[in-house]
Amino acid sequence: GENVEQHPSTLSVQEGDSAVIKCTYSDSASNYFPWYKQELGKRPQLIIDIRSNVGEKKDQRIAVTLNKTAKHFSLHITETQPEDSAVYFCAASNTGNQFYFGTGTSLTVIP
Amino acid sequence: GAVVSQHPSWVICKSGTSVKIECRSLDFQATTMFWYRQFPKQSLMLMATSNEGSKATYEQGVEKDKFLINHASLTLSTLTVTSAHPEDSSFYICSGRGETEAFFGQGTRLTVV
Repeated sequence: GENVEQHPSTLSVQEGDSAVIKCTYSDSASNYFPWYKQELGKRPQLIIDIRSNVGEKKDQRIAVTLNKTAKHFSLHITETQPEDSAVYFCAASNTGNQFYFGTGTSLTVIP
Repeated sequence: GAVVSQHPSWVICKSGTSVKIECRSLDFQATTMFWYRQFPKQSLMLMATSNEGSKATYEQGVEKDKFLINHASLTLSTLTVTSAHPEDSSFYICSGRGETEAFFGQGTRLTVV
């Protein structure tokens, strides 16, 4: 089955700086890679996703890159704000199948 | 976007009793629903895949007789924690998959005392 690894587990950045979270996956059949933001006690919310036929995708301050050959993908948050503080999960999926989540990154943005 | 409604959002039960958690897809048909468990400060761990009209598929290490899953219709899946014990206390989240994106329920915080 799929194995998703995520680093770092915790990340603290100063407000305005950038944050980068990296994930690797093992199953070459995975073709969909979403990123979720989860605030304490709440459901995960999709913030951005990328498919295997695309190398990079950007949405305002958030961007995701994918390297299929190396089987890794990354989340980039620029100009971080205190409200970006949360736990972020990457996931990998093969269309129609379940999602396998990374272990999560607790991001703290220091004002 | 699509909505998945899960309830109850919070439940406290006595050790030895059973608790049922419901997950409904409100505006799409979910032939497959996923059930996750999440401990504090940890990731979502897939427990089982619930298929409408057939038996659920459980992940390794998950007791199928303890965590009963029923998916009787395209819009409703239930998870019953039987003979709950304090170690079953956790945050349980269901998820229904649309064409690509996964939509999560609000989660159920179960506390067994």
